[in-house]
Amino acid sequence: AQTVTQSQPEMSVQEAETVTLSCTYDTSESDYYLFWYKQPPSRQMILVIRQEAYKQQNATENRFSVNFQKAAKSFSLKISDSQLGDAAMYFCAYRRGYGGATNKLIFGTGTLLAVQP
Amino acid sequence: DGGITQSPKYLFRKEGQNVTLSCEQNLNHDAMYWYRQDPGQGLRLIYYSQIVNDFQKGDIAEGYSVSREKKESFPLTVTSAQKNPTAFYLCASRTFGGSRDTGELFFGEGSRLTVL
Repeated sequence: AQTVTQSQPEMSVQEAETVTLSCTYDTSESDYYLFWYKQPPSRQMILVIRQEAYKQQNATENRFSVNFQKAAKSFSLKISDSQLGDAAMYFCAYRRGYGGATNKLIFGTGTLLAVQP
Repeated sequence: DGGITQSPKYLFRKEGQNVTLSCEQNLNHDAMYWYRQDPGQGLRLIYYSQIVNDFQKGDIAEGYSVSREKKESFPLTVTSAQKNPTAFYLCASRTFGGSRDTGELFFGEGSRLTVL
């Protein structure tokens, strides 16, 4: 069975600095997606970034980028120029690349990021 | 604007009572999901539905029931059989298959259920 592990329950970063959140996963599949979701205090989950396993290039979205190491099964999230609005719980998630709706998203336990002014 | 609406946001229930959480989406998504969120445990899948009148159990379905009579709606009933129902419940949806399928789940704002 696939699993997703986030080993950092809490992290802290100074405003304008860079922080990296770690995520590892376990799968025997070769076709899959990886996601980082953000859950701010309002509790609504928002997609931050997405990576397809077949793509070697790391995904980027403005200040957010990933370091995808397929062989190591590692998928870390880097937040550059951290802002107060980045403070949230961040979840790493995995989904197999086929199977329709039965293809459920598997979440890690989350990392709570605090941003210090 | 398209999105997912969950109601109520906060709900209190006495032990032994059933309660139903509403989830409505106007994204024309095929699949809908219910997740339960507890501190330190991430999100766990309760039920999901791929099409109208069809649904499957997730990892923690015991004590819960769902229906999917309309594509837009996927209500979750927390029954008295659920031993520890106090939690935050998230509804999500996605399309699947074809060029629109990015694999992304879209979430509602959640419902907080507290059993007194």
